[in-house]
Amino acid sequence: QKEVEQDPGPLSVPEGAIVSLNCTYSNSAFQYFMWYRQYSRKGPELLMYTYSSGNKEDGRFTAQVDKSSKYISLFIRDSQPSDSATYLCAMSDYGGSQGNLIFGKGTKLSVKP
Amino acid sequence: DVKVTQSSRYLVKRTGEKVFLECVQDMDHENMFWYRQDPGLGLRLIYFSYDVKMKEKGDIPEGYSVSREKKERFSLILESASTNQTSMYLCAYAGQGRYNEQFFGPGTRLTVL
Repeated sequence: QKEVEQDPGPLSVPEGAIVSLNCTYSNSAFQYFMWYRQYSRKGPELLMYTYSSGNKEDGRFTAQVDKSSKYISLFIRDSQPSDSATYLCAMSDYGGSQGNLIFGKGTKLSVKP
Repeated sequence: DVKVTQSSRYLVKRTGEKVFLECVQDMDHENMFWYRQDPGLGLRLIYFSYDVKMKEKGDIPEGYSVSREKKERFSLILESASTNQTSMYLCAYAGQGRYNEQFFGPGTRLTVL
């Protein structure tokens, strides 16, 4: 079983839809969780990060962590064509400068006008 | 904003050539990483470095080496390029926060003919 599983999509939604992106993981020691957005032919950019369980909201984006189910989600409200990108989840088992991140393979999202 | 720059956006090399990919960050961050990204395989860690002259192998170091002579510069070297090293190469540094979040450069698309 891979450490981090992420549905590759592609996911196509109409403008204004609510989008749900998800990752599952197997390592119960993970406690730092991140979401990256990557536009075509660009480097990933950090979108949101959360620690342990719970929700975090930033504008139209909400990150959710359920450690009991080993499941994280990113919700995008009122999706826009500019949200069309690949979204990668990432996680780490400890913070500070020595930990490495484990990435999902990414979900490609297309928001149609 | 801290910037990460990579020496080239696109690069075409021939099989057997020695290839240097350079990454420069404009702050004093210690931790730097090299990844390659391929369709269906996601991000794979090649090498990372926690300080000057320090290097650690990632998941796929074969065929690569690195150099870190100055804190701000982390170079990836393909000793003898092969066609299976055609890929998107991404450099990143780790922020100082507790989440161990990483920040990526724009990437170098390398084609080996």
